Amino acid sequence: GAVVSQHPSRVICKSGTSVKIECRSLDFQATTMFWYRQFPKQSLMLMATSNEGSKATYEQGVEKDKFLINHASLTLSTLTVTSAHPEDSSFYICSGRRGDSGANVLTFGAGSRLTVL
Amino acid sequence: AQSVTQLDSQVPVFEEAPVELRCNYSSSVSVYLFWYVQYPNQGLQLLLKYLSGSTLVKGINGFEAEFNKSQTSFHLRKPSVHISDTAEYFCAVSVAGGGNKLTFGTGTQLKVEL
Repeated sequence: GAVVSQHPSRVICKSGTSVKIECRSLDFQATTMFWYRQFPKQSLMLMATSNEGSKATYEQGVEKDKFLINHASLTLSTLTVTSAHPEDSSFYICSGRRGDSGANVLTFGAGSRLTVL
Repeated sequence: AQSVTQLDSQVPVFEEAPVELRCNYSSSVSVYLFWYVQYPNQGLQLLLKYLSGSTLVKGINGFEAEFNKSQTSFHLRKPSVHISDTAEYFCAVSVAGGGNKLTFGTGTQLKVEL
């Protein structure tokens, strides 16, 4: 089946630094990637949608200059949290959609837990 | 806009007992419905989905759900749960033709006890 690999699974950084999270589709081409954020004991909130080769579309309230999303290839999308602060600590999850998917099925990565000190 | 309501934040149940996790949605257009399971510190795994056709959908791990359009519900059921079913379950909806953008419910923590 389709697999999405997300790395790193856990990252701890100091306030003010930037952190990059990678999301790779291992056995399919993901024309669309979605990035979600999940706070403890809460649901997933969609942050942005990225299509390969074009700029990401951000949801209302998500700072595009803070959460930089790049989707340069059909198998890789990255989320960079710039100048991270403790309030950015969260669980970030990506998901990919196959280019030929007619079944509206997304494959999720295992998530990346970011802790900003 | 769509919304998903999972009224039960936690559902405790004994092993081998049946369970139902409730999900109601709101939408003015046709939707697709999904149930995902999340184990601690992991991403989401698709349990089952309803796109069209038969309203009774069978998924992995013995789970099934029934789409009820008149009640705008998509409740998840399992006739006999196992300890390994302990996890967080999310109901989600996407608009048909809406590019797969999922709206999630707040989740239900299923805790299976011996």
